[in-house]
Amino acid sequence: QKEVEQDPGPLSVPEGAIVSLNCTYSNSAFQYFMWYRQYSRKGPELLMYTYSSGNKEDGRFTAQVDKSSKYISLFIRDSQPSDSATYLCAMSRLLSGGYNKLIFGAGTRLAVHP
Amino acid sequence: NAGVTQTPKFQVLKTGQSMTLQCAQDMNHNSMYWYRQDPGMGLRLIYYSASEGTTDKGEVPNGYNVSRLNKREFSLRLESAAPSQTSVYFCASTITPGDRGFLGNQPQHFGDGTRLSIL
Repeated sequence: QKEVEQDPGPLSVPEGAIVSLNCTYSNSAFQYFMWYRQYSRKGPELLMYTYSSGNKEDGRFTAQVDKSSKYISLFIRDSQPSDSATYLCAMSRLLSGGYNKLIFGAGTRLAVHP
Repeated sequence: NAGVTQTPKFQVLKTGQSMTLQCAQDMNHNSMYWYRQDPGMGLRLIYYSASEGTTDKGEVPNGYNVSRLNKREFSLRLESAAPSQTSVYFCASTITPGDRGFLGNQPQHFGDGTRLSIL
């Protein structure tokens, strides 16, 4: 079983829709939770970053962490064609020596059509 | 503001050939990483370097070697390329606890990748 599970999609939605992207994980030691956006032929870019449970909002994006259920979500409101990309969840724990051990989901491909 | 720069962007090799992938960051980060990205697998860590002069194995180090040349540069070498190493390779960097500007477990900054095909 993978430490982090993410539905690969693809997910196709009309412009203006609310998008919900999700990941589940098995390791309760994870402390930090990230969402990255990756456009075609580009490197991942950090979208949202949260520590512990709860919600964090940034513009049209809301990240939600439920540590009791080992479940994280990313919501995109008023989705735009420019949101079409692959979304990767990632989670980490800080090891001794400062190493930031990141485990990534496989990514969900999102297409927002006009 | 370049961030993390990787060269080359594309490369085709024959089985058994060797090559070095280059990575440089201009953010004065101590920690640097090499990942590979394969369909359905997400990103997997190959090697990392917590600071200049140190390197450690990640999840999938077999068939690779690394060199942390200085604080800016971290290279990945394939000594004898195999078709199973066909992948997209990403370099990343991050602030380490104790660095000036560290605010928490800083996430990683990525380059745009090297697309490597081995025939």
